[in-house]
Amino acid sequence: EDQVTQSPEALRLQEGESSSLNCSYTVSGLRGLFWYRQDPGKGPEFLFTLYSAGEEKEKERLKATLTKKESFLHITAPKPEDSATYLCAVQARYSTLTFGKGTMLLVSP
Amino acid sequence: DTEVTQTPKHLVMGMTNKKSLKCEQHMGHRAMYWYKQKAKKPPELMFVYSYEKLSINESVPSRFSPECPNSSLLNLHLHALQPEDSALYLCASSHSDRGEKLFFGSGTQLSVL
Repeated sequence: EDQVTQSPEALRLQEGESSSLNCSYTVSGLRGLFWYRQDPGKGPEFLFTLYSAGEEKEKERLKATLTKKESFLHITAPKPEDSATYLCAVQARYSTLTFGKGTMLLVSP
Repeated sequence: DTEVTQTPKHLVMGMTNKKSLKCEQHMGHRAMYWYKQKAKKPPELMFVYSYEKLSINESVPSRFSPECPNSSLLNLHLHALQPEDSALYLCASSHSDRGEKLFFGSGTQLSVL
């Protein structure tokens, strides 16, 4: 059974204080690992797809990396508008997405 | 146009009511999905339509009835819901059901009284 574990469950940062979110996964035949951002009461917004170990993707203050067992979402010099829940999901071959429970990020000014 | 549009944004219904949630996308995607999300929980897959045919039903109670009238539209018909069905209902689409990224709508916040 595919499993996704995200840590920490919640993270509070000061503006400008860089940190990383973790997504550990077990899946038989990874087809893709996805990061989404979700604001309260809204649908998840796609951020990145990673397909193979060693791959990295960047977008503004966010950088996602992937190993064979986990993915990190690095947030550099976060701003209050980066506050959201960040969801990680994996897809195995011939399977739908398995989501983690998310990390709730709060960035204080 | 990279949007998935859901209506209504909010819905309050009684347990004896019949209502429908609507979802529309114009990205030419051939897979469409319904997810249910409770507060502080991840989205849970309910149904997948691929090329307008129901391909996955995750053992959802029959009081939820999906419909895909065409490749751009997806409906979720609701009847005799229970208070525990209150949640955010999310529609999503993807190019196919083979692993491309999902585009989510903003959701319908449903309250069952």
